[in-house]
Amino acid sequence: DTAVSQTPKYLVTQMGNDKSIKCEQNLGHDTMYWYKQDSKKFLKIMFSYNNKELIINETVPNRFSPKSPDKAHLNLHINSLELGDSAVYFCASSQGIRTANYNEQFFGPGTRLTVL
Amino acid sequence: GIQVEQSPPDLILQEGANSTLRCNFSDSVNNLQWFHQNPWGQLINLFYIPSGTKQNGRLSATTVATERYSLLYISSSQTTDSGVYFCAVRGNKLVFGAGTILRVKS
Repeated sequence: DTAVSQTPKYLVTQMGNDKSIKCEQNLGHDTMYWYKQDSKKFLKIMFSYNNKELIINETVPNRFSPKSPDKAHLNLHINSLELGDSAVYFCASSQGIRTANYNEQFFGPGTRLTVL
Repeated sequence: GIQVEQSPPDLILQEGANSTLRCNFSDSVNNLQWFHQNPWGQLINLFYIPSGTKQNGRLSATTVATERYSLLYISSSQTTDSGVYFCAVRGNKLVFGAGTILRVKS
């Protein structure tokens, strides 16, 4: 009964390649997020979608493009991978993003991306 | 933006000991969450606690929103408690603290 799932769990690739990470949630939430955790364990939000609409877009290179085909899925595509993109990427979901009905976020297991 | 500070940055405990982790934040927040990142990297929800006190087994948390801090109490620590504990607060987005690295020795 996985609530938030991500694939793949590990991704090793060469510089310059394009790769995608997929995320799915079965919690019935309407908001999904991507976070990046760097080598010092610092977690920072990258994007947020609410009902397939982009809500939060932090200062992220435009090589990163999120896509939400429906409110249960949020995929992350990365073009022209660089060494500095190596990190763990977490997907998360919650119900609501507006102040009045915001609830706790639940995280997926993470995808460890290594760029060689 | 909101600043979140966690203390201590590192903590080593003998199994069975108690500890208190602190989270200070710089502005009014809509909610606050505590997470445990285990040695396998999973982020586990501990508490969703915008205010008040909650308990779950050996763990409890208290948030005093008006004074902009939250505390996580771990009692009778076990080796499985090892990992990184994160506090995260939300204004218009969830902002994480740098975490407290906890090691429990048997």
